Parts: sequence; C-alpha cells; structure tokens
Amino acid sequence: KQEVTQIPAALSVPEGENLVLNCSFTDSAIYNLQWFRQDPGKGLTSLLLIQSSQREQTSGRLNASLDKSSGRSTLYIAASQPGDSATYLCAALTGANNLFFGTGTRLTVIP
Amino acid sequence: DGGITQSPKYLFRKEGQNVTLSCEQNLNHDAMYWYRQDPGQGLRLIYYSQIVNDFQKGDIAEGYSVSREKKESFPLTVTSAQKNPTAFYLCASSIGQAANVLTFGAGSRLTVL
Repeated sequence: KQEVTQIPAALSVPEGENLVLNCSFTDSAIYNLQWFRQDPGKGLTSLLLIQSSQREQTSGRLNASLDKSSGRSTLYIAASQPGDSATYLCAALTGANNLFFGTGTRLTVIP
Repeated sequence: DGGITQSPKYLFRKEGQNVTLSCEQNLNHDAMYWYRQDPGQGLRLIYYSQIVNDFQKGDIAEGYSVSREKKESFPLTVTSAQKNPTAFYLCASSIGQAANVLTFGAGSRLTVL
C-alpha cells in the first residue's frame, strides 16, 4: 500500500525566505502527485498537479518537482509571505481513485 | 460561483445517533468523494462515486453509508456503528471519473458527545 510522508511536520521561516517542503512516497507507480494548501478549519485548495510524465510544474511563486524513481516531490516557495502560512499536503494518485495523502507540513511565515 | 457546499459546518451528536452530512456541488463534476481527517493523520477515503446511482467503498467505509441519487449531491451518513466518529469530514469532486484535480468543500466537523 502506498505510504506518503512529509517532513518536517512543522516549519517556521522569516518573511522573504525561500523554502522547500518535502514529500516522499513508497510506490513509484503513480499517475500524478498533487500539492494542496489547507488553512485552519477549512477545506483543501489545489495548488499544483504534476503528471507522472512531468518533472515539474510552476504557478507564480510556487514550483513543484517530481522524481518518481526516488519517490520524492518537493514544493518550492519563493519569497515567502505571511499569507503563505498554512498546512501544505501532498497526495499521490495510485490508480484511478486511490489518492494517498501525507500528514502535511504546517508552515508559519513570521513577519 | 461554482463550488462545493458542505453542511452543517459543525455538528454534535450523541452516541447511538445517526447523522447525515450534506455535500452539494454545482461544478458538473462526475466524481465525488468523502474523506475523513484526524489530527496527525493524512486524509483517508471513506466512499467515492464516479457516476449517479453508483458508489464504491474506500479504505475506511465501515460505519458509514452514502447515496448518489443526483449528480450534484453525495450525502454521507455516519451511523451508530462507527466506533470513533469524531473527526473533520471533507467532501471533494473531480471532472471525469478519476481523482485528478480535486475541488474540496469547506468541511464539516462532527463531535460525538
């Protein structure tokens, strides 16, 4: 069964710093890898989706990479802002409807 | 605006009672999903439905039931058989019949007293 791990569980950085969030998965036979943002007590917002044939996706200050062979994905956030404070979750799609989520990294950007 | 509406946002239940969580979408998405989120754990799939009048069990379906009588609606019933129902429940939908880009509702927090 697919297992998705996110380290660290929590991260605090000063405003303006660039940062990287890590996601690892045990089964490399994935269809895609997705990154989500979750604000406290709210639902998830899709940030980026990387298909298995792709290496990276970019949206604004966010860049996600995927290395299937090593079972890793990273989410790079450039020039962090206090509004980026949230929990970031990654999820690996294994099969049409088997989306396996990590436990998330709680990010705090300090003004 | 298109989106997913979950209600109620907060729900309290006494032990032994069944409760139903509502999920409505106006995105014309084919597939709908229910996830459960507990502190320190990833989201876990309860049930999903790819088309009307059809649904499949996820990883933790025991103690839950669903229906999909309309494309727009996918209610979840938490039955008294669910041993530990206190959790945050999230409904999601996606275009087509596969979990590609998911759109999530705002969630419903169920507390058993």
